[in-house]
Amino acid sequence: EIVMTQSPVTLSVSPGERVTLSCRTSQSILSNYLAWYQQRPGQAPRLLIFSTSTRATGVPARFSGSGSGTDFTLSISSLQSEDFAVYYCQQYSSWPRTFGQGTKVEVK
Amino acid sequence: EVQLLESGGGLVQPGGSLRLSCVASGFTFNNYAMSWIRQAPGQGLEWVAALSGSGTNSYYTDSVKGRFTISRDNSNSTMFLQMNSLRADDTAVYYCAKVPAILPLYFDYWGHGVLVTVSS
Repeated sequence: EIVMTQSPVTLSVSPGERVTLSCRTSQSILSNYLAWYQQRPGQAPRLLIFSTSTRATGVPARFSGSGSGTDFTLSISSLQSEDFAVYYCQQYSSWPRTFGQGTKVEVK
Repeated sequence: EVQLLESGGGLVQPGGSLRLSCVASGFTFNNYAMSWIRQAPGQGLEWVAALSGSGTNSYYTDSVKGRFTISRDNSNSTMFLQMNSLRADDTAVYYCAKVPAILPLYFDYWGHGVLVTVSS
């Protein structure tokens, strides 16, 4: 099983700031098969990024993904009020599909 | 518009059974794999099971193998999760999710979730 480790666990930031979230995997991810999701309080998760760097339909350009091998990053260029949420990475390179434990982005 | 509506959750005693349903609309159901993902109270996401578009290939996380069965009725655009021998650690919100391909990959649409509570 590929273990996904996200850091930091919590990130306290102010609106307008740039944030960078990290996701490290215990094994190399083949074909960059990594996705990112956003979960706002009381809501279902929402797909943001797939294939490491491809934004899903309707996702604002301020969200970007990068990385390869075992190190991946989600960046938000200028944090908006609606971006305060928990973010999860997920690999679909091997079975079982696994998620990171999440990074909570909160208001500073 | 893609919509996924889960039902069938509730309170069940340890060792009991429950069957979740997910009715899909807004896309050609049999062209896409589907999956169940759960989230224990205050915790992160855990993938549970997935099923190919044809229903031929199923996949499970180890902790539910032999207890849970995923299935689908393509004629009615519905996916199911039969959960037997339920344990306290199965308590979670269960999400139905669509996969953007015939075989399970990532999840592009999610339902609102249904709560399953296993307790005596």
